[in-house]
Amino acid sequence: AQSVTQLGSHVSVSEGALVLLRCNYSSSVPPYLFWYVQYPNQGLQLLLKYTTGATLVKGINGFEAEFKKSETSFHLTKPSAHMSDAAEYFCAVDPAGGTSYGKLTFGQGTILTVHP
Amino acid sequence: DADVTQTPRNRITKTGKRIMLECSQTKGHDRMYWYRQDPGLGLRLIYYSFDVKDINKGEISDGYSVSRQAQAKFSLSLESAIPNQTALYFCATSDLGTGYTGELFFGEGSRLTVL
Repeated sequence: AQSVTQLGSHVSVSEGALVLLRCNYSSSVPPYLFWYVQYPNQGLQLLLKYTTGATLVKGINGFEAEFKKSETSFHLTKPSAHMSDAAEYFCAVDPAGGTSYGKLTFGQGTILTVHP
Repeated sequence: DADVTQTPRNRITKTGKRIMLECSQTKGHDRMYWYRQDPGLGLRLIYYSFDVKDINKGEISDGYSVSRQAQAKFSLSLESAIPNQTALYFCATSDLGTGYTGELFFGEGSRLTVL
C-alpha cells in the first residue's frame, strides 16, 4: 500500500530560524508530491508540487522542497520562519505519477508553531 | 467569493440523524472529491466523481453516500450519523485539462459534530 509519513506531529521554531518539515513516502512508480498548508479555519492550499524535472521545487511564501528518490523523501524547508507561517502542513502523494487523478494520499500533518 | 463553497460550515447533530453536506464550485472542474480530516490521521478520501455520471468510492466510504447533481455540485450524505463521523469534511476539485498536475483545490471545510 502507498503511504506518506510525516515525522513529527508538532514542530516548534523561533521566528527567523530554519523550518524543516519531514516527509517520506512509499511508491512503486515515480510519484507526484505535494505540500499543502492549512491555516486556522481555512481549507488547504497548495504550497508547492513536484511532478517531473528539477528535484528542487520552490513554492509560495519562501518555501521549497527537494525530491530525493534514493531516500524516498520530500522534506519542506524555509530558511527563516515568520510568525505568519504558523499553520498545519500536509505532505501528499499521487503514488501513480499523476494518474491517480486527485486521489491523493495524505500524511498525518505537522503543526508548525513559531515563537517570537 | 470562494471558488469552492461548502455548506454548512459547522453543524451539530444527534446520533441517527440524516445529514447532508453540500459543495458547489465555480472553477469549471469536472472532478470533485470529498475528504475527511481527523486529527493525527491527515485527510482520507471518502468519494470522488470524475463527471456527473461517474461516482466512485474512496478509502472510507462506509456510512456515506454522495450525489453529483450537476458539474458544479457534489453533496455528501450521512444517512444515519454516528459519533465517530465527527470530523472536518472537505470538498475539493481538480482539473483534468491540459497541464494537469494533480493539484486539488479545497473548500473551507464543514465541521460536523455528532452527539
